[in-house]
Amino acid sequence: RKEVEQDPGPFNVPEGATVAFNCTYSNSASQSFFWYRQDCRKEPKLLMSVYSSGNEDGRFTAQLNRASQYISLLIRDSKLSDSATYLCVVNLQGSQGNLIFGKGTKLSVKP
Amino acid sequence: GAGVSQTPSNKVTEKGKYVELRCDPISGHTALYWYRQSLGQGPEFLIYFQGTGAADDSGLPNDRFFAVRPEGSVSTLKIQRTERGDSAVYLCASSLASKETQYFGPGTRLLVL
Repeated sequence: RKEVEQDPGPFNVPEGATVAFNCTYSNSASQSFFWYRQDCRKEPKLLMSVYSSGNEDGRFTAQLNRASQYISLLIRDSKLSDSATYLCVVNLQGSQGNLIFGKGTKLSVKP
Repeated sequence: GAGVSQTPSNKVTEKGKYVELRCDPISGHTALYWYRQSLGQGPEFLIYFQGTGAADDSGLPNDRFFAVRPEGSVSTLKIQRTERGDSAVYLCASSLASKETQYFGPGTRLLVL
């Protein structure tokens, strides 16, 4: 079983749609959680950290459920510029920061 | 300010050759990470430096892979006797300290023919 598993995608949605990505992680010792965004042939960039209380950044909302070992990302009112691959990322408790990435879910927002 | 830079941006080599990939971290960042990303996959951790020392090299796939950071800044990832399966994008990231936000470089695309 992969340490971090994500929806296979791709997700093809019209502009203005709401889209949700799900992710599960296998190691209960995971301590930190993130969503990264990766544009085609570019490097990953941190989109947002994910906290147990849930957090929101504009049109983006991230949720963490430690009991279910489940992470989600919700994008409201999607824009063409949101088209990218979204990577679910965890960091193990006690590790020195090496990140464990999911395979990513590709999002295509169409006009 | 300047981000993480990596050279070369692309490298084509033949099976069995030796390659070196270079990473210049953000100035002042003490932590440096190497990851490898194959097509359709997320990045996979290779090695982590804190200062000059390799604090965790558990991700290196075998002894053909080696990395150094002699002065605690620039790092070089070295691959001996390259194989076709080594073809991937090699990403470098740096952070102010371990467990802080990692900033990735643009990567080196390695193709082994």
